[in-house]
Amino acid sequence: EVQLLESGGGLVQPGGSLRLSCAASGFTFSIYAMSWVRQAPGKGLEWVSAISGSGGSTYYADSVKGRFTISRDNSKNTLYLQMNSLRAEDTAVYYCSKNIRACSSSSCYFYYYMDVWGKGTTVSVSS
Amino acid sequence: DIVMTQSPDSLTVSLGERATISCKSSQSISSSSNNKSYLAWYQQKPGQPPKLLIYWASTRESGVPDRFSGSGSGTDFTLTISSLQAEDVAVYYCQQYYSTPYTFGQGTKLEIK
Repeated sequence: EVQLLESGGGLVQPGGSLRLSCAASGFTFSIYAMSWVRQAPGKGLEWVSAISGSGGSTYYADSVKGRFTISRDNSKNTLYLQMNSLRAEDTAVYYCSKNIRACSSSSCYFYYYMDVWGKGTTVSVSS
Repeated sequence: DIVMTQSPDSLTVSLGERATISCKSSQSISSSSNNKSYLAWYQQKPGQPPKLLIYWASTRESGVPDRFSGSGSGTDFTLTISSLQAEDVAVYYCQQYYSTPYTFGQGTKLEIK
């Protein structure tokens, strides 16, 4: 069974740092791109960041660029989100998600919609 | 950035009736090279993570009931639930994956009348 399990959330003061982790199981982690999506209390979904299977390509929302860093350890089947200079508006449930890899006879392509989601980890930024 | 706008924000429909949600993108999210539209639909029930319903604008994810269907191309897309069931009460989101940032619509809350 494909599973994603986030951890690392908690209460942090404005300006502080936190590192989220997402442990993946049930699929070949290293060949799939992965994303983080967040949801502020009572609000909609916001895509935060994505990373290619190799980790060589990373993408960020403008709202977190320069403050958050996405990374992965394919030997540990784990995705990370390092969050620095946290603000009150970063308060949210953070979801880890698996993206899509589609292969033809000659090439594989990556598409950034999400077919598997974790249950989320809550980050609260408050003094 | 591509802005995704859903309408309505909330919708009340009777059991067994049709529910229709619109999603508009600020620029085309359809590709002429592969003739595909880079649009996904998700369902989120209270206290749960989102669940993928539809991708490529009209392809139903495995296990999703066939009362859910997606249509559209270019900038205009629709999610239709043909006969509303009680378990369909949820918030529905569209998402474009044509270009980064991979933006979501604001969500449509679907309730039973």
